[in-house]
Amino acid sequence: EVQLLESGGGLVQPGGSLRLPCEASGFTFSSYAMSWVRQAPGKGLEWVSGISGSGGNTYYADFVKGRFTISRDNSKNTLYLQMNSLRTEDTAVYYCAKDPTRGYSGTYLDYWGQGTLVTVSS
Amino acid sequence: QSVLTQPPSVSGAPGQRVTISCTGSSSSIGAGHDVHWYQQLPGTAPKLLIYDNSNRPSGVPDRFSGSKSGTSASLAITGLQAEDEADYYCQSYDSRLSAAVFGGGTQLTVL
Repeated sequence: EVQLLESGGGLVQPGGSLRLPCEASGFTFSSYAMSWVRQAPGKGLEWVSGISGSGGNTYYADFVKGRFTISRDNSKNTLYLQMNSLRTEDTAVYYCAKDPTRGYSGTYLDYWGQGTLVTVSS
Repeated sequence: QSVLTQPPSVSGAPGQRVTISCTGSSSSIGAGHDVHWYQQLPGTAPKLLIYDNSNRPSGVPDRFSGSKSGTSASLAITGLQAEDEADYYCQSYDSRLSAAVFGGGTQLTVL
């Protein structure tokens, strides 16, 4: 059974940093691209970032470029999202999700974690 | 403002059929990119409902179906049930943005 478990969320001040891990199990982690998608309170879904199965290729939404970094440790079956220079508008539930292919292509996400809430506020 | 446009809400009585539209542009759906649909029950994570325009993952009832034409796509739900009450999101890819894009979501109410 595929399982994705995010953690690391919490309250952070504007300008601060946070790192979100997502532990994966139930599939060969290195064989699949992964993504982060966020959802602001009461709002819709918003793609944030994607990474290939090898970790060699990364992709970002314009609104996080230069501030967020996606990475993965295939030896630990863990995906990460390093978030720097956080803004109040980054407040959201952050979901990690599995792609159906090894190379990231912006296609569908077949499994999602339960999400972790990040609140950016002073 | 979402790149893909969905109606904010739709409703129907139990047993009825409802459709949810998803309108894109020449750089997203109109460029030939596939459309996918997700169901998000209250307080839960999104779940893949339809992929590659019209395919259902294992376990998704055949009451749910998808189609795509031109710059738009649709999700149809037949034989509405109370448990279908949820938010539904379409997703595609936008070549101009080089990014996956979502619709703003449609809240389905079963009357």
